[in-house]
Amino acid sequence: AQSVTQLGSHVSVSEGALVLLRCNYSSSVPPYLFWYVQYPNQGLQLLLKYTTGATLVKGINGFEAEFKKSETSFHLTKPSAHMSDAAEYFCAVSVDGQGAQKLVFGQGTRLTINP
Amino acid sequence: GAVVSQHPSRVICKSGTSVKIECRSLDFQATTMFWYRQFPKQSLMLMATSNEGSKATYEQGVEKDKFLINHASLTLSTLTVTSAHPEDSSFYICSARGLHTGELFFGEGSRLTVL
Repeated sequence: AQSVTQLGSHVSVSEGALVLLRCNYSSSVPPYLFWYVQYPNQGLQLLLKYTTGATLVKGINGFEAEFKKSETSFHLTKPSAHMSDAAEYFCAVSVDGQGAQKLVFGQGTRLTINP
Repeated sequence: GAVVSQHPSRVICKSGTSVKIECRSLDFQATTMFWYRQFPKQSLMLMATSNEGSKATYEQGVEKDKFLINHASLTLSTLTVTSAHPEDSSFYICSARGLHTGELFFGEGSRLTVL
């Protein structure tokens, strides 16, 4: 069965610092992996996704993530944090492999940006 | 970009009443819609998969008679919480998969409070 673990329910960084949000997955099929951002009382917005091909994926708002099969990881990074990045971030894996429909989400990581 | 709209965004009801939440794909057709539930400070839990013109598929532990899902057209799915109780208070989020693109888009969520 597919699952996702996000290490750290809360991450706090200074404005301008590197953002690193960790995600490890478990999947019995080649995974489709996603990062979503959620602002308070709102739905989810797709940041980026990995399906096939290049393992370094670039997304919106300067975020990127690297798929590392050997480490079963898909960590999210951003070189320089901005105050507007403060939000909840969810890593997700598709449970039907390349169908990429049903998603299993990690527990979420709340990112706080300190001025 | 594609938009998924949920209505109402917030609803307060008395215990014992039923509440209907709509999920609409505004500019694309969606053969499949998913309903998620999110408790405060927690992740999204998939409740059911809704396919146009057929019965919804519920996840283990979700009461299908309590959470009625109807997907009558390619642009509309509804979730009805029947005989709502305070423990049903939650943030309900839908997502829709585009018929032609296969992309997945999330609604902005509906917050249900049962008094």
